[in-house]
Amino acid sequence: KNQVEQSPQSLIILEGKNCTLQCNYTVSPFSNLRWYKQDTGRGPVSLTIMTFSENTKSNGRYTATLDADTKQSSLHITASQLSDSASYICVVTPNRGRANNLFFGTGTRLTVIP
Amino acid sequence: GAVVSQHPSWVICKSGTSVKIECRSLDFQATTMFWYRQFPKQSLMLMATSNEGSKATYEQGVEKDKFLINHASLTLSTLTVTSAHPEDSSFYICSARDPGFTDTQYFGPGTRLTVL
Repeated sequence: KNQVEQSPQSLIILEGKNCTLQCNYTVSPFSNLRWYKQDTGRGPVSLTIMTFSENTKSNGRYTATLDADTKQSSLHITASQLSDSASYICVVTPNRGRANNLFFGTGTRLTVIP
Repeated sequence: GAVVSQHPSWVICKSGTSVKIECRSLDFQATTMFWYRQFPKQSLMLMATSNEGSKATYEQGVEKDKFLINHASLTLSTLTVTSAHPEDSSFYICSARDPGFTDTQYFGPGTRLTVL
């Protein structure tokens, strides 16, 4: 079973609307949780990073939340734009002092339509 | 954020040939780099960890003789797909770990490999 689950798998929204993507994880203990945006045919780009003690982190129109008790995180996108169409990946770094054991979610494919 | 580059961004080759992909960290010296493979609509899968000056560590199921990794300097790691076959066609992404922030990996833009 994947230790990082994302939902929904895909999402289509109208331009200008808001949306929320979900990430549930079982990795424990963990060092940090990141949300990445991956455009088609490109590498992932970091949007937000939160340690286990942080509840929320914003980056422009992107706001990530973290509930370490329930092991859930969400990424909220406000006033969506066509350029937001991409895959959004939740990545958890376990607290082992190394960065190579990253746990990747399967991603949510977001499509913003005009 | 830090920049990691990959070259080439895409490559098409014939079956049986070898292809080399370069990964460079432009803003910092990376003692550790990582190579991932991503199939369509799937998440990144770690192939191997590349350590500067020593042998790479391969994940289970990844053939080390098939995917040769060389990390000869603190800013460059190369992945060579030897005797490539159509099933090796994939999106290969590297990342570099910033030694100043041990939990931070910066990803490259990826290389699309198509084997005919």
